[in-house]
Amino acid sequence: QQPVQSPQAVILREGEDAVINCSSSKALYSVHWYRQKHGEAPVFLMILLKGGEQKGHEKISASFNEKKQQSSLYLTASQLSYSGTYFCGTVGLGAGTYKYIFGTGTRLKVLA
Amino acid sequence: GAVVSQHPSWVICKSGTSVKIECRSLDFQATTMFWYRQFPKQSLMLMATSNEGSKATYEQGVEKDKFLINHASLTLSTLTVTSAHPEDSSFYICSARVGRPISESNQPQHFGDGTRLSIL
Repeated sequence: QQPVQSPQAVILREGEDAVINCSSSKALYSVHWYRQKHGEAPVFLMILLKGGEQKGHEKISASFNEKKQQSSLYLTASQLSYSGTYFCGTVGLGAGTYKYIFGTGTRLKVLA
Repeated sequence: GAVVSQHPSWVICKSGTSVKIECRSLDFQATTMFWYRQFPKQSLMLMATSNEGSKATYEQGVEKDKFLINHASLTLSTLTVTSAHPEDSSFYICSARVGRPISESNQPQHFGDGTRLSIL
């Protein structure tokens, strides 16, 4: 079942912050975050492996609450280049191998 | 490192034509590759898991005879859309991971650039 992301879309002014949430109905082995620009392939941002783990990547960080089966992506002091659609990818075991299921997506637009 | 090449980038063809899309891992071996389909403004939907040397595993609702997947080597997987019709028009993306199955959950996916398929 596909993880649900919220909000579905958000518009920011340059320099503002945003939080994107990802919620799964299934137990998660790990959570991956990707950003996709229009017409392009998704680009990997980060992986969170353990419950309660937090990671940072420049001004983009994320947390993973394994017990709640949730992850959040934090964008601080947003830049124009942050515009795109953000997907969480959750990993589950199926058919003898791990497979990724992508979330519903959150469209982010940063305005100058 | 970890580059995935997908070809072609864009295909326009008549209804009834079969179209083959190639996905290559250029600098690593990929025992497992994934094929996704994406409609405008929607998420990536996993179609099938392609395993080198064995049959692909298809997700529920994906027609095996319609979307033929072959993973003949550790660096190449192909998706053939057979007798394509306008409803098959979509953005198809492949991905691959570095690493063996035990560590796969810890590895990011590396995506090809996608193939935009338009059936007239």
